[in-house]
Amino acid sequence: EAGVVQSPRYKIIEKKQPVAFWCNPISGHNTLYWYRQNLGQGPELLIRYENEEAVDDSQLPKDRFSAERLKGVDSTLKIQPAELGDSAVYLCASSWQGAKAVEQYFGPGTRLTVT
Amino acid sequence: GENVEQHPSTLSVQEGDSAVIKCTYSDSASNYFPWYKQELGKRPQLIIDIRSNVGEKKDQRIAVTLNKTAKHFSLHITETQPEDSAVYFCAALSGGSYIPTFGRGTSLIVHP
Repeated sequence: EAGVVQSPRYKIIEKKQPVAFWCNPISGHNTLYWYRQNLGQGPELLIRYENEEAVDDSQLPKDRFSAERLKGVDSTLKIQPAELGDSAVYLCASSWQGAKAVEQYFGPGTRLTVT
Repeated sequence: GENVEQHPSTLSVQEGDSAVIKCTYSDSASNYFPWYKQELGKRPQLIIDIRSNVGEKKDQRIAVTLNKTAKHFSLHITETQPEDSAVYFCAALSGGSYIPTFGRGTSLIVHP
C-alpha cells in the first residue's frame, strides 16, 4: 500500500513569493491534515479536512495561507506571500475517521526555506 | 484547549539500557494517546498507541502506560539499540475533536 505522498520535498523561495505544496493521501482515507513543524518542536495542526470539507481551520493564518481539497482526495496548501517565519517542514497526514480517533499516517513533508 | 508536556527533551542512554519518556496532558476528555518516532529528516511514524480504556500496552521492546487519574502516560523502550535513536513525540486526542496535540519531542540517543 502506498503511503502519503507529498511534493516537493524541498523548496527554497525568497520572501514575498508564493509557494504551494501538494499532498496525495492514502487511498480510501477520508480525513486529511496539514501540519507545520518547526525545528525542535512537534507538529502543529493548520487545517483538517473530512472529505472535501474543511472542518478545523482555526490555526490557519488565513491572511496568507489557503488550502483546498477538491474531490476529497488530493490537497494543496498555498502560502502567498511567504514570510521568513514560514520556514518549517509542512507535513500532510491522512486517516480513516470513524466514530473514534484513529492513527494518522504522515507524509515525508516539504521542507520550506524562506530567504 | 489541550496542553501536552513531554520530558525529558533529550535522553542519552547506553545500548541495552532502558529508556522512559513521560508526557502529561490537561484535558480529561482526551482518550487516545499515540506515540510517534521521527528519524532525522523523515516522517513521523506511529510506533504504539493506547486508548483510555486500558492501562498498558506492549509491542515487543516498547510499551506504553497510561494513568488517567494523574493524566500522564509514558513510553518505555527496553534493550535499546542504536537504531532506536530518533525524536519521539507523544500526542493526546479527544474523540470529539480528532485534533492531536503533540508534545515538544524527546531526542533519544543510544550510544553503541
